[in-house]
Amino acid sequence: RKEVEQDPGPFNVPEGATVAFNCTYSNSASQSFFWYRQDCRKEPKLLMSVYSSGNEDGRFTAQLNRASQYISLLIRDSKLSDSATYLCAGTSGTYKYIFGTGTRLKVLA
Amino acid sequence: DTGVSQDPRHKITKRGQNVTFRCDPISEHNRLYWYRQTLGQGPEFLTYFQNEAQLEKSRLLSDRFSAERPKGSFSTLEIQRTEQGDSAMYLCASRAGLADEGEQFFGPGTRLTVL
Repeated sequence: RKEVEQDPGPFNVPEGATVAFNCTYSNSASQSFFWYRQDCRKEPKLLMSVYSSGNEDGRFTAQLNRASQYISLLIRDSKLSDSATYLCAGTSGTYKYIFGTGTRLKVLA
Repeated sequence: DTGVSQDPRHKITKRGQNVTFRCDPISEHNRLYWYRQTLGQGPEFLTYFQNEAQLEKSRLLSDRFSAERPKGSFSTLEIQRTEQGDSAMYLCASRAGLADEGEQFFGPGTRLTVL
C-alpha cells in the first residue's frame, strides 16, 4: 500500500460546482499535510497547509481526519482556472515528504 | 526573483552521457530536497540536505546519481551514464527552519530527455 494515496481522476465538473478530493495516508505518525496545485509541465505550487483539524482560504477548504487517516480538499464555486492536478503530501519521519500521485480536475464551461 | 531556481530548464542528452543540474534554493532556507517526477505520478523523493549535510538518499538513486551541496547554499545533482529510464522532471525544493514542520517551495524543474 502506498503511503499517500489519491484518486487520479479526472474529475470533470461544470463551472460553479463544488468538488471534493480525498487523500488517504497510512503513516499514523505523519504530523503535517499539504495540498499543492500543479499545472501541466509546471512545478507544484503550495495551495494549503493542514496542521490540525483544517484550514480555509477563500473558496478552498482543507480538512484533516486523523481517526480515519485522510485529508480532504473542497473547492467551492469552481472556476475554469481551477483546472489542474492537485497533489497531497504528508510528512514521513522528521523531514521527509511523501506525495500522492495527484488528482486531475477539469472544470468545464 | 527570490524563489527557488533551477538550471537548465531543459536538457536533452544521448544515452551514456553525464548530466549535471543545479538548484539555488531560497536564500534563507537551510533544507533542500531533490525529487523526480514522471508523467502521471507525484514527485518522488530522491535526497535531502540540511545545510551541507546529505542526510538521506533514496534507494531510488542508483550509484549513477550523486548530489552535493558543498557550502550549504546551491546544490547539484549529477547523473552519470544516463539511461532512457532517467527521462523525467527533476525538481528541487527548499524550506526554512529547524522545526520538522514547514512548507516546501519548488523550483521550476529541469526536464531531462535521454535519447
